[in-house]
Amino acid sequence: AQSVTQLDSHVSVSEGTPVLLRCNYSSSYSPSLFWYVQHPNKGLQLLLKYTSAATLVKGINGFEAEFKKSETSFHLTKPSAHMSDAAEYFCVVSDLGTYKYIFGTGTRLKVLA
Amino acid sequence: EAGVAQSPRYKIIEKRQSVAFWCNPISGHATLYWYQQILGQGPKLLIQFQNNGVVDDSQLPKDRFSAERLKGVDSTLKIQPAKLEDSAVYLCASSGGGLMNTEAFFGQGTRLTVV
Repeated sequence: AQSVTQLDSHVSVSEGTPVLLRCNYSSSYSPSLFWYVQHPNKGLQLLLKYTSAATLVKGINGFEAEFKKSETSFHLTKPSAHMSDAAEYFCVVSDLGTYKYIFGTGTRLKVLA
Repeated sequence: EAGVAQSPRYKIIEKRQSVAFWCNPISGHATLYWYQQILGQGPKLLIQFQNNGVVDDSQLPKDRFSAERLKGVDSTLKIQPAKLEDSAVYLCASSGGGLMNTEAFFGQGTRLTVV
């Protein structure tokens, strides 16, 4: 069965410093992996996706993630945090075999001025 | 391309009442999902349809929740009777499937408040 673990429920960074949000996955088939952002009282916005092409994926707003099969990880990074990045971030795994779309528990990112 | 449509956007009901949500997925998408997102938590998959068949409903509280997807297109999710803990945003999503594209597209959600 597929699952996803977001290793940190809360992350705080100072504005202008790097962001690292960690995600580990478990999948029986070839996984697709996604990162979503959700601002307070807003809908889900897709940041980036990995679907078995390049392992380093670039997304919107300067975010990127690297798929590491040997580590079963898909960590989200950004070189320099902006105040507007403060939000909840969700990692999602989907199996090509089942098309289940499973969310992690989320990481709340706080950006300090 | 039209997105996933959900209605209503907001609903307030008293406990023990019933409520229904409607979802119209992106045209041609075979897979449809219903999620429950309680405030401060991640979306929890309630039920997944492939065309009009149920793929997974293991987390659907079947004593009070039901869902159907007639003709493999739009879908309804019903709660009867509602409890206070059902207060949440109910999200519908659809996916086209296929070997290289499992991305799901989400509707705006229905915010349910049970009082």
